[in-house]
Amino acid sequence: RKEVEQDPGPFNVPEGATVAFNCTYSNSASQSFFWYRQDCRKEPKLLMSVYSSGNEDGRFTAQLNRASQYISLLIRDSKLSDSATYLCVVPSGGSYIPTFGRGTSLIVHP
Amino acid sequence: IAGITQAPTSQILAAGRRMTLRCTQDMRHNAMYWYRQDLGLGLRLIHYSNTAGTTGKGEVPDGYSVSRANTDDFPLTLASAVPSQTSVYFCASSVLGSGNEQFFGPGTRLTVL
Repeated sequence: RKEVEQDPGPFNVPEGATVAFNCTYSNSASQSFFWYRQDCRKEPKLLMSVYSSGNEDGRFTAQLNRASQYISLLIRDSKLSDSATYLCVVPSGGSYIPTFGRGTSLIVHP
Repeated sequence: IAGITQAPTSQILAAGRRMTLRCTQDMRHNAMYWYRQDLGLGLRLIHYSNTAGTTGKGEVPDGYSVSRANTDDFPLTLASAVPSQTSVYFCASSVLGSGNEQFFGPGTRLTVL
């Protein structure tokens, strides 16, 4: 099993839809989790951190399920501008080295 | 400088040539990283440095070397470029620690012919 796995998509949704992505990880010792957003041909940028209690920022909600070893990202009321690739990041257990998933592509259409 | 910069923005290189990609940050972050990103493979870590004077190997270090003489600079060298090193290269920095955000440079698009 790869350390961090994501469904590459693409997820093709209409404006206003709710969409959710999952990211599974293999190292149960991992403590910190993140979602990054990457626009085409640009650098990744932090979207949000994922806390044990969950994290909500406007239309975006991130949650952690330690028992099943996955994190999720929920986007409500999708906008055209949400079209991007969403990368999950899990630091390797016992180190500070972050491991990126391959990303999930989201396309929001009118 | 504001944040993290990379140079050059893009480069076409003949196979066998030596090339150094530059990365500079002004945030006084102790940790720095080099990634390559290829279609379908995501971001893969090449080398990293937790603090000035130390470096470590990532997932795909072969054919690359790095140095960390000071806090701000973290150059990546390809001693003898090969076509499989054609990729987009991203440098990143962060405060050392697993719970800290990484900040990325704009990337260098390298083509090896």
